[in-house]
Amino acid sequence: GIQVEQSPPDLILQEGANSTLRCNFSDSVNNLQWFHQNPWGQLINLFYIPSGTKQNGRLSATTVATERYSLLYISSSQTTDSGVYFCAVERASGSRLTFGEGTQLTVNP
Amino acid sequence: DAGVIQSPRHEVTEMGQEVTLRCKPISGHNSLFWYRQTMMRGLELLIYFNNNVPIDDSGMPEDRFSAKMPNASFSTLKIQPSEPRDSAVYFCASTYRQGLVATFGSGTRLTVV
Repeated sequence: GIQVEQSPPDLILQEGANSTLRCNFSDSVNNLQWFHQNPWGQLINLFYIPSGTKQNGRLSATTVATERYSLLYISSSQTTDSGVYFCAVERASGSRLTFGEGTQLTVNP
Repeated sequence: DAGVIQSPRHEVTEMGQEVTLRCKPISGHNSLFWYRQTMMRGLELLIYFNNNVPIDDSGMPEDRFSAKMPNASFSTLKIQPSEPRDSAVYFCASTYRQGLVATFGSGTRLTVV
Protein backbone atom coordinates (compact mmCIF):
# COMPACT_ATOMS: atom_id res chain seq x y z
CA GLY A 1 0.00 0.00 0.00
CA ILE A 2 0.90 3.64 -0.11
CA GLN A 3 3.28 4.96 2.54
CA VAL A 4 2.54 8.19 4.37
CA GLU A 5 5.23 9.82 6.47
CA GLN A 6 4.67 12.90 8.58
CA SER A 7 7.32 15.10 10.10
CA PRO A 8 8.21 16.16 12.64
CA PRO A 9 6.54 13.64 14.96
CA ASP A 10 6.50 16.22 17.76
CA LEU A 11 6.70 19.99 17.77
CA ILE A 12 6.63 22.44 20.66
CA LEU A 13 6.09 26.13 19.98
CA GLN A 14 5.57 29.35 21.84
CA GLU A 15 2.36 31.18 21.12
CA GLY A 16 2.78 33.46 18.13
CA ALA A 17 5.35 31.32 16.34
CA ASN A 18 4.91 29.94 12.85
CA SER A 19 5.32 26.29 11.90
CA THR A 20 5.40 23.96 8.93
CA LEU A 21 4.27 20.36 9.04
CA ARG A 22 5.18 17.99 6.26
CA CYS A 23 3.53 14.94 4.71
CA ASN A 24 5.42 12.74 2.26
CA PHE A 25 3.70 10.01 0.32
CA SER A 26 5.02 7.22 -1.84
CA ASP A 27 2.69 7.22 -4.85
CA SER A 28 0.51 9.43 -7.00
CA VAL A 29 -2.63 10.50 -5.16
CA ASN A 30 -6.05 11.83 -6.11
CA ASN A 31 -7.07 12.65 -2.58
CA LEU A 32 -5.08 14.31 0.20
CA GLN A 33 -6.57 15.68 3.35
CA TRP A 34 -5.32 17.32 6.53
CA PHE A 35 -7.03 16.77 9.87
CA HIS A 36 -6.61 18.25 13.34
CA GLN A 37 -7.48 16.34 16.50
CA ASN A 38 -7.59 18.54 19.58
CA PRO A 39 -6.50 17.34 23.03
CA TRP A 40 -10.10 16.41 23.82
CA GLY A 41 -10.29 14.08 20.84
CA GLN A 42 -12.45 16.17 18.53
CA LEU A 43 -11.54 15.79 14.85
CA ILE A 44 -11.63 18.60 12.33
CA ASN A 45 -11.12 18.11 8.62
CA LEU A 46 -8.93 21.09 7.72
CA PHE A 47 -8.25 20.78 4.00
CA TYR A 48 -9.04 18.64 1.01
CA ILE A 49 -6.02 19.38 -1.16
CA PRO A 50 -4.81 16.78 -3.68
CA SER A 51 -2.89 19.58 -5.43
CA GLY A 52 -2.30 23.29 -5.24
CA THR A 53 -2.64 25.71 -2.34
CA LYS A 54 -5.51 26.58 -0.06
CA GLN A 55 -5.82 28.96 2.83
CA ASN A 56 -8.21 29.14 5.74
CA GLY A 57 -7.43 31.91 8.19
CA ARG A 58 -4.07 31.32 9.83
CA LEU A 59 -3.75 27.90 8.24
CA SER A 60 -2.72 27.14 4.70
CA ALA A 61 -1.74 23.99 2.85
CA THR A 62 0.21 23.27 -0.28
CA THR A 63 0.44 19.97 -2.09
CA VAL A 64 3.08 19.39 -4.76
CA ALA A 65 1.69 16.23 -6.25
CA THR A 66 4.53 15.71 -8.72
CA GLU A 67 7.03 15.66 -5.85
CA ARG A 68 4.75 13.69 -3.54
CA TYR A 69 4.54 15.95 -0.54
CA SER A 70 2.21 18.33 1.18
CA LEU A 71 2.88 21.09 3.69
CA LEU A 72 0.61 22.53 6.34
CA TYR A 73 1.51 26.02 7.50
CA ILE A 74 0.33 27.42 10.80
CA SER A 75 0.98 31.11 11.32
CA SER A 76 0.80 33.04 14.57
CA SER A 77 0.08 29.85 16.47
CA GLN A 78 -2.35 29.86 19.37
CA THR A 79 -2.73 27.43 22.26
CA THR A 80 -5.92 26.19 20.63
CA ASP A 81 -3.82 24.90 17.73
CA SER A 82 -2.40 22.21 20.02
CA GLY A 83 -3.22 18.63 19.18
CA VAL A 84 -2.33 16.09 16.54
CA TYR A 85 -2.30 16.91 12.84
CA PHE A 86 -2.92 14.02 10.47
CA CYS A 87 -2.36 13.77 6.77
CA ALA A 88 -4.32 11.17 4.78
CA VAL A 89 -3.99 10.17 1.15
CA GLU A 90 -5.73 7.99 -1.39
CA ARG A 91 -3.71 6.55 -4.22
CA ALA A 92 -4.68 7.65 -7.71
CA SER A 93 -4.72 4.06 -8.93
CA GLY A 94 -7.26 3.20 -6.28
CA SER A 95 -6.94 2.32 -2.62
CA ARG A 96 -8.53 3.24 0.60
CA LEU A 97 -7.66 6.43 2.45
CA THR A 98 -4.41 5.92 4.39
CA PHE A 99 -3.47 8.06 7.36
CA GLY A 100 -0.06 9.10 8.56
CA GLU A 101 0.89 8.74 12.18
CA GLY A 102 0.47 12.41 12.83
CA THR A 103 2.44 15.37 14.19
CA GLN A 104 1.85 16.17 17.85
CA LEU A 105 1.85 19.96 18.20
CA THR A 106 2.03 21.72 21.55
CA VAL A 107 1.67 25.49 21.67
CA ASN A 108 2.63 26.99 24.99
CA PRO A 109 1.33 30.34 26.21
CA ASP B 1 -27.65 22.96 12.70
CA ALA B 2 -26.66 20.66 15.55
CA GLY B 3 -23.79 19.17 13.59
CA VAL B 4 -23.13 15.48 13.14
CA ILE B 5 -24.74 13.59 15.99
CA GLN B 6 -23.44 10.25 17.14
CA SER B 7 -24.91 7.96 19.74
CA PRO B 8 -24.14 6.59 22.17
CA ARG B 9 -21.13 8.62 23.35
CA HIS B 10 -19.84 5.65 25.30
CA GLU B 11 -20.64 1.97 25.04
CA VAL B 12 -19.36 -0.86 27.16
CA THR B 13 -20.37 -4.32 26.10
CA GLU B 14 -19.36 -7.90 26.63
CA MET B 15 -17.55 -9.93 24.05
CA GLY B 16 -19.97 -11.66 21.73
CA GLN B 17 -22.71 -9.08 22.02
CA GLU B 18 -24.09 -7.09 19.12
CA VAL B 19 -23.21 -3.41 19.09
CA THR B 20 -24.95 -0.73 17.03
CA LEU B 21 -23.50 2.73 16.62
CA ARG B 22 -25.67 5.49 15.20
CA CYS B 23 -25.01 8.64 13.22
CA LYS B 24 -27.19 11.50 12.09
CA PRO B 25 -25.40 13.59 9.44
CA ILE B 26 -25.88 17.28 8.88
CA SER B 27 -29.05 17.93 6.93
CA GLY B 28 -28.32 18.30 3.22
CA HIS B 29 -25.01 16.48 3.36
CA ASN B 30 -24.83 13.74 0.75
CA SER B 31 -21.63 11.96 1.79
CA LEU B 32 -21.16 10.11 5.05
CA PHE B 33 -18.03 8.48 6.44
CA TRP B 34 -17.31 6.06 9.28
CA TYR B 35 -13.82 6.09 10.83
CA ARG B 36 -12.19 4.10 13.60
CA GLN B 37 -9.31 5.22 15.83
CA THR B 38 -7.18 2.94 18.00
CA MET B 39 -3.79 3.31 19.60
CA MET B 40 -2.45 0.37 17.62
CA ARG B 41 -3.80 1.16 14.17
CA GLY B 42 -4.35 4.90 14.31
CA LEU B 43 -7.12 6.41 12.22
CA GLU B 44 -8.82 4.28 9.59
CA LEU B 45 -11.61 5.01 7.13
CA LEU B 46 -14.02 2.09 7.36
CA ILE B 47 -16.68 2.94 4.79
CA TYR B 48 -18.30 5.88 3.06
CA PHE B 49 -21.65 6.51 1.44
CA ASN B 50 -22.72 8.87 -1.33
CA ASN B 51 -26.44 9.55 -1.54
CA ASN B 52 -27.09 6.67 0.88
CA VAL B 53 -25.20 4.18 -1.31
CA PRO B 54 -22.03 2.50 0.03
CA ILE B 55 -19.20 3.47 -2.31
CA ASP B 56 -16.10 2.01 -0.70
CA ASP B 57 -16.19 -0.48 2.15
CA SER B 58 -12.65 -1.73 1.68
CA GLY B 59 -11.75 -0.45 5.13
CA MET B 60 -14.32 -2.60 6.91
CA PRO B 61 -12.13 -5.00 8.85
CA GLU B 62 -14.24 -8.15 8.85
CA ASP B 63 -17.62 -9.57 8.04
CA ARG B 64 -18.57 -8.93 11.64
CA PHE B 65 -18.82 -5.26 10.68
CA SER B 66 -21.70 -3.91 8.64
CA ALA B 67 -22.94 -0.41 7.88
CA LYS B 68 -26.22 0.83 6.52
CA MET B 69 -27.70 4.13 5.49
CA PRO B 70 -31.45 3.59 5.07
CA ASN B 71 -32.08 7.28 4.43
CA ALA B 72 -30.26 10.58 4.14
CA SER B 73 -30.57 11.36 7.82
CA PHE B 74 -29.43 8.18 9.50
CA SER B 75 -26.64 5.62 9.38
CA THR B 76 -25.66 2.68 11.56
CA LEU B 77 -22.48 0.74 12.07
CA LYS B 78 -23.06 -2.70 13.52
CA ILE B 79 -20.60 -5.16 14.98
CA GLN B 80 -21.84 -8.70 15.51
CA PRO B 81 -20.36 -10.43 17.42
CA SER B 82 -18.13 -7.89 19.11
CA GLU B 83 -14.59 -8.71 20.24
CA PRO B 84 -12.20 -6.93 22.62
CA ARG B 85 -10.03 -5.83 19.68
CA ASP B 86 -12.98 -3.82 18.38
CA SER B 87 -12.51 -1.43 21.28
CA ALA B 88 -11.90 1.98 19.73
CA VAL B 89 -13.37 5.39 19.13
CA TYR B 90 -15.68 5.35 16.13
CA PHE B 91 -16.24 8.63 14.32
CA CYS B 92 -18.89 9.56 11.82
CA ALA B 93 -18.46 12.52 9.44
CA SER B 94 -20.51 14.08 6.68
CA THR B 95 -20.09 16.57 3.85
CA TYR B 96 -22.09 17.99 0.97
CA ARG B 97 -20.05 16.00 -1.50
CA GLN B 98 -16.69 14.36 -1.84
CA GLY B 99 -13.91 16.81 -2.36
CA LEU B 100 -15.10 19.10 0.39
CA VAL B 101 -13.98 18.97 3.98
CA ALA B 102 -16.24 16.93 6.23
CA THR B 103 -17.70 17.71 9.64
CA PHE B 104 -17.08 15.14 12.34
CA GLY B 105 -19.27 13.95 15.16
CA SER B 106 -17.92 13.67 18.67
CA GLY B 107 -17.34 9.96 18.35
CA THR B 108 -18.48 6.85 20.17
CA ARG B 109 -16.00 5.27 22.54
CA LEU B 110 -16.59 1.52 22.42
CA THR B 111 -15.15 -0.82 25.00
CA VAL B 112 -15.61 -4.56 24.56
CA VAL B 113 -14.75 -6.58 27.66
